[in-house]
Amino acid sequence: DAGVIQSPRHEVTEMGQEVTLRCKPISGHNSLFWYRQTMMRGLELLIYFNNNVPIDDSGMPEDRFSAKMPNASFSTLKIQPSEPRDSAVYFCASTLAVGVDISGNQPQHFGDGTRLSIL
Amino acid sequence: QQPVQSPQAVILREGEDAVINCSSSKALYSVHWYRQKHGEAPVFLMILLKGGEQKGHDKISASFNEKKQQSSLYLTASQLSYSGTYFCGTAKNYGGSQGNLIFGKGTKLSVKP
Repeated sequence: DAGVIQSPRHEVTEMGQEVTLRCKPISGHNSLFWYRQTMMRGLELLIYFNNNVPIDDSGMPEDRFSAKMPNASFSTLKIQPSEPRDSAVYFCASTLAVGVDISGNQPQHFGDGTRLSIL
Repeated sequence: QQPVQSPQAVILREGEDAVINCSSSKALYSVHWYRQKHGEAPVFLMILLKGGEQKGHDKISASFNEKKQQSSLYLTASQLSYSGTYFCGTAKNYGGSQGNLIFGKGTKLSVKP
């Protein structure tokens, strides 16, 4: 079975440019998470969706970040304008939430990540 | 709210045992354990849901003491393939945004021949 698919794997761009990261969750999963990983802060949850609806975006750093999930098989994370401090590895993960639970009792499956460098 | 993992790093010889601890200042509903190899994605190891629950597969097992708000990951007779960074993720409550995972900063495990 195909896992979570992220693209691109690597992105290098100049400060001020728009960056769009893409994620295709595992088929049948109903919850999707965007994480950012840095050495300093570790693995941070940015936003998560349940049945395509954003549930909690309190981890989104600022208005420059936005995320959408137009359908069950696709999500994007956009940064506009990008800044050097946005450089990090961005992971997408999905799970099949049972009942009202979102992530507490189901394993999360991570994509290979997008390594983003803003110059 | 971020769980605290200890130690931050550990170096083992093949065949030695290790324990990684994860503690929280908040009451916990569940604890997840993941392993991440360099340059790769975190991979799920196990979830512990109940106080005092213990789980294991192969030579990796874990316990969850709900009252102490702590979990420990046990690696016995370590193999080279166990090398990587181990993360615990904790969820405070069942359901909704309270079910979100908050990850610790990780424990880097290096197994040498």
